[in-house]
Amino acid sequence: DAKTTQPPSMDCAEGRAANLPCNHSTISGNEYVYWYRQIHSQGPQYIIHGLKNNETNEMASLIITEDRKSSTLILPHATLRDTAVYYCIVSTGANNLFFGTGTRLTVIP
Amino acid sequence: SQTIHQWPATLVQPVGSPLSLECTVEGTSNPNLYWYRQAAGRGLQLLFYSVGIGQISSEVPQNLSASRPQDRQFILSSKKLLLSDSGFYLCAWSGRNTEAFFGQGTRLTVV
Repeated sequence: DAKTTQPPSMDCAEGRAANLPCNHSTISGNEYVYWYRQIHSQGPQYIIHGLKNNETNEMASLIITEDRKSSTLILPHATLRDTAVYYCIVSTGANNLFFGTGTRLTVIP
Repeated sequence: SQTIHQWPATLVQPVGSPLSLECTVEGTSNPNLYWYRQAAGRGLQLLFYSVGIGQISSEVPQNLSASRPQDRQFILSSKKLLLSDSGFYLCAWSGRNTEAFFGQGTRLTVV
């Protein structure tokens, strides 16, 4: 069963920040929050993950609330190539990744 | 750098025929290996994972089996395909406590 809740779809204007929310109210203390994305007909691509601190890399930023019950993935300047399904996953490790149906992000020109 | 190869990219097979999908990883040793399936319009479902040669864990009962004959080789098989085996099959690898990296997938259509 999914441990996360994500909106099924979102739109974002090109060049603007895309903020994708995720609720994970039953997260355990040893579970990480992972974000992946899947562009149509390709394998999922790892984006970022975190435990309790906010994280940033060349692709995105991950903001985790202090109680860890929710998080937000931020794509600072969305491009058309960021159109994809974004998956938020909570897991203790890669051997237990459960992919739900994610959020379909559409970047609009 | 590490790379993962999965083939073929697409496959059309008749019902009742056998299946063999192969996945290999380069640039790392002793990886965790995974097979996922994605039905049309749905999320990914973990089918098998392996932490070492000959060690296979199955997550769901099904018509498929997996084998790991070598450290960086993971094979998904079936003796007789069913229509319900159609889907997008993805191989992935990870380190012991790292994120997973996916191959480009095999789109299987059973007819």
